[in-house]
Amino acid sequence: QQQVKQSPQSLIVQKGGISIINCAYENTAFDYFPWYQQFPGKGPALLIAIRPDVSEKKEGRFTISFNKSAKQFSLHIMDSQPGDSATYFCAAKRGTGFQKLVFGTGTRLLVSP
Amino acid sequence: GAGVSQSPSNKVTEKGKDVELRCDPISGHTALYWYRQSLGQGLEFLIYFQGNSAPDKSGLPSDRFSAERTGGSVSTLTIQRTQQEDSAVYLCASSPPGSLYNEQFFGPGTRLTVL
Repeated sequence: QQQVKQSPQSLIVQKGGISIINCAYENTAFDYFPWYQQFPGKGPALLIAIRPDVSEKKEGRFTISFNKSAKQFSLHIMDSQPGDSATYFCAAKRGTGFQKLVFGTGTRLLVSP
Repeated sequence: GAGVSQSPSNKVTEKGKDVELRCDPISGHTALYWYRQSLGQGLEFLIYFQGNSAPDKSGLPSDRFSAERTGGSVSTLTIQRTQQEDSAVYLCASSPPGSLYNEQFFGPGTRLTVL
């Protein structure tokens, strides 16, 4: 119930293409879903986050789509750029306040020039 | 301003030795978390501290692992009698007070290699 399943494990996209990463969860108590971006040798950095009261959130080229009934959410990176090449983690958290994040296993994205 | 800092950045140790990993959270952040990132795996929660409350130790994998936070700021994660399976990147994160969903800011991590 605490797991967040992430796919694909790795992804290669051409420059200008759309990168799509999917996550699924079981625990219906989760109500905060952030995505983190991690470059080699760095810690993860918050990219974008969504709450289940909305179905989509967009920030620049990054969009989260959320399907509450299916317990799935996805990250779309439009017009992917080589600088987007990184590992992306989805995560989920239960409730407000200080709770641990439950992370997916990560997707290594490579955007080819 | 300064982000979360961790030291050392790399640590190589022999099996059976004890190690200490240090985390300096962002000034003013009241919550501090430790996670472990193994090769090809996601981030695994270890422990978190919030103010003066008792820490949530539910993620510590064994009694060889312990952590403390002194003065509500710096934290040290100690691994006793290290094993090869302890090899991983240990990440620290902190969160500011008053944040509804407590965004977590991560440090660069300490890469631990147990030979």
